[in-house]
Amino acid sequence: DGGITQSPKYLFRKEGQNVTLSCEQNLNHDAMYWYRQDPGQGLRLIYYSQIVNDFQKGDIAEGYSVSREKKESFPLTVTSAQKNPTAFYLCASSIADGTEAFFGQGTRLTVV
Amino acid sequence: QKEVEQNSGPLSVPEGAIASLNCTYSDRGSQSFFWYRQYSGKSPELIMSIYSNGDKEDGRFTAQLNKASQYVSLLIRDSQPSDSATYLCAASGDSGGGADGLTFGKGTHLIIQP
Repeated sequence: DGGITQSPKYLFRKEGQNVTLSCEQNLNHDAMYWYRQDPGQGLRLIYYSQIVNDFQKGDIAEGYSVSREKKESFPLTVTSAQKNPTAFYLCASSIADGTEAFFGQGTRLTVV
Repeated sequence: QKEVEQNSGPLSVPEGAIASLNCTYSDRGSQSFFWYRQYSGKSPELIMSIYSNGDKEDGRFTAQLNKASQYVSLLIRDSQPSDSATYLCAASGDSGGGADGLTFGKGTHLIIQP
């Protein structure tokens, strides 16, 4: 089945720890995105990539890092510099930037 | 800063009636508009996209776009309890350096009353 797979579904992070969220797609989409959603809030763009080996900061990139070494994969690292990382993280992809985007199931990150 | 505004609700509509959801956007360069449905605890699901002025119908859903007024709406006919969810409006456009992802509103919480 074609789609976007995020893992893990739930993730717990200790203070000062870096964690990496996985996002894989088999839709042959060029563009991929990471969004963050806080309770009762809309989605805020963290990073996006329009092509392999290239990515741009979104509105709230501080404390996060990404890589795009393969078309299918766009992992997000939440670093210790992100002071309030507890949130629902959503990965999406689209054929090209600005077109219909489809989401993975999300990763719920909690700081313990 | 691009902004997409929605009334957070809750919007309560009787079963079988028409639900009307509205959205405004700040960036006149926005070209593409999308409506997503999000159930509690789940990821957003695309239900409609619209790119040109006017109406676009898909089953019980109709999206309306007015670029002059920077206004997008979603009508849901014959509302069902399963339509109860948060509806997110999103806009995408060329800001001079190419499109740069979707900008989302905070969503409208819709409740369909049986």
